[in-house]
Amino acid sequence: ETGVTQSPTHLIKTRGQQVTLRCSSQSGHNTVSWYQQALGQGPQFIFQYYREEENGRGNFPPRFSGLQFPNYSSELNVNALELDDSALYLCASSWDSYEQYFGPGTRLTVT
Amino acid sequence: AQRVTQPEKLLSVFKGAPVELKCNYSYSGSPELFWYVQYSRQRLQLLLRHISRESIKGFTADLNKGETSFHLKKPFAQEEDSAMYYCALGAEGTYKYIFGTGTRLKVLA
Repeated sequence: ETGVTQSPTHLIKTRGQQVTLRCSSQSGHNTVSWYQQALGQGPQFIFQYYREEENGRGNFPPRFSGLQFPNYSSELNVNALELDDSALYLCASSWDSYEQYFGPGTRLTVT
Repeated sequence: AQRVTQPEKLLSVFKGAPVELKCNYSYSGSPELFWYVQYSRQRLQLLLRHISRESIKGFTADLNKGETSFHLKKPFAQEEDSAMYYCALGAEGTYKYIFGTGTRLKVLA
């Protein structure tokens, strides 16, 4: 059984650009959630996908969007990047339970 | 509004001393509460959840609905307990987690 993986580990983007972050869920998990963790803060819920459908969204603007694929891997897309988008982005997968398994995160820096 | 409050950013204790990491929540429904831990250079991992009522690595946490608290306790701290601890609330009917800002526990030799 493999754990949750995320790519890339780090990336630097310029304000106004677009970025795609990727997550591979733990084997057998059908639900993926994405979180933003700013420095010194706890993770903040962005949205969740269950069997390829969005299943809840936090207080993030529409320029944050996502996809979940049939193999349950997932993408987080952020358009029109702003400086405040600089953060650690975490994905977490689960199987019909509250126990979520987190990936190591992608650190995004927007300059 | 749903909220999780961890009032201490940093808690330092000596090895062998008792530990209590505080967590208070605000939620109108029936909460699911969790403690997650992040050791240095490792990912967030579940430490315990209130419905299982387990003791993991000597830690326990009791849900007190009257005080809306879910404090994490350990009678005798060990150096390997040094880590970042996050309290999280699971919103009923969804898998959305609301995290607190975390408490860094430092166990001194």
